Amino acid sequence: KAGVTQTPRYLIKTRGQQVTLSCSPISGHRSVSWYQQTPGQGLQFLFEYFSETQRNKGNFPGRFSGRQFSNSRSEMNVSTLELGDSALYLCASSLAPYNSPLHFGNGTRLTVT
Amino acid sequence: GESVGLHLPTLSVQEGDNSIINCAYSNSASDYFIWYKQESGKGPQFIIDIRSNMDKRQGQRVTVLLNKTVKHLSLQIAATQPGDSAVYFCAETLGEGGATNKLIFGTGTLLAVQP
Repeated sequence: KAGVTQTPRYLIKTRGQQVTLSCSPISGHRSVSWYQQTPGQGLQFLFEYFSETQRNKGNFPGRFSGRQFSNSRSEMNVSTLELGDSALYLCASSLAPYNSPLHFGNGTRLTVT
Repeated sequence: GESVGLHLPTLSVQEGDNSIINCAYSNSASDYFIWYKQESGKGPQFIIDIRSNMDKRQGQRVTVLLNKTVKHLSLQIAATQPGDSAVYFCAETLGEGGATNKLIFGTGTLLAVQP
């Protein structure tokens, strides 16, 4: 069974631009979550989706948004990029909507210059 | 200003020894705990999980111990191998009535296995 797939693997953007990251969960998984990983803050929760509904949102500004499609694929968008948005963005999927292990993709490395 | 990188605690062990990685979790209401392994350039990889109604769970070469009294979690790796070298994270879910998979991650421990 294929794992969580994230595209693109690497992105370089300029301040002020926007970016869309994509995630395909493990087949059969309907719960998708996004995390940001930086050397300074570690792994921080961004969003959680189940059946196209956002169930939880982390403490990030409104420039960060996401959505989930009917096939469980998910996208996240960051508008008006700032230098501090440079990070590894990780998507994870799980079989059940709670108390179920998250399985992570290898992430999208975003660099903002 | 510049962000300061997390100073990861490091555990250095000899190949073949047993490793114990410790984690203090934050919320006494947390009811589900997971250990992840992250190698360079990859996402976190699920190792083992444990629910709050258990105090021990064993997998292949790994054991997780949960002490709810002192909010402490540990991961024991038997016969540590060079391939075990990675950063290890503990994570907890806050339960919230069973309505979420939201994870709160620890800062991580770097395990360095010396051949």
